[in-house]
Amino acid sequence: AQRVTQPEKLLSVFKGAPVELKCNYSYSGSPELFWYVQYSRQRLQLLLRHISRESIKGFTADLNKGETSFHLKKPFAQEEDSAMYYCALSGGNSGNTPLVFGKGTRLSVIA
Amino acid sequence: ETGVTQTPRHLVMGMTNKKSLKCEQHLGHNAMYWYKQSAKKPLELMFVYSLEERVENNSVPSRFSPECPNSSHLFLHLHTLQPEDSALYLCASSQELGLRYGYTFGSGTRLTVV
Repeated sequence: AQRVTQPEKLLSVFKGAPVELKCNYSYSGSPELFWYVQYSRQRLQLLLRHISRESIKGFTADLNKGETSFHLKKPFAQEEDSAMYYCALSGGNSGNTPLVFGKGTRLSVIA
Repeated sequence: ETGVTQTPRHLVMGMTNKKSLKCEQHLGHNAMYWYKQSAKKPLELMFVYSLEERVENNSVPSRFSPECPNSSHLFLHLHTLQPEDSALYLCASSQELGLRYGYTFGSGTRLTVV
């Protein structure tokens, strides 16, 4: 079974401090992992995906298959980063299975 | 509005009512999804359509009935709902069924069952 765990419901950091949003997954095959973000009064949107190995808005996430983790990191948090962050997984060999989401972590960046 | 549009934004209905949620996209996407977002729970996949064919139904009660008349429109028909069905219902679409294309989400319909 596919499962995504985000252990922190709420994370508060000061502006300029490093941020790490934790995500662990459970899946026996090779997963595709994503981070989605929802800013206040906006719709859920894709932030980044592990296959792209990209940095978006200063955020990066590395897939660690040994630890089954896909933590989201940013070295210096900004106030505009305050939002709900959802980790999501897709399993299946052809990558065409729908996303399974974690419960989300609310990031609050304090000025 | 561009992207994925959901109507209504808010809906209050009694347990004996029948209502429908509408989702519309003009992105040329071929796959559409219904998700349920309840408080304290992760987003739950309800239905998946690819090229107007239902490809997944995640053990959703029959009081929820989806309809996809064409690749641009997706409906969720509701009847005899329960208070625990109160939630945010999100529609999403993707270019194809494969995940590498990412999802575009609508703003959701906030449903309250009284």
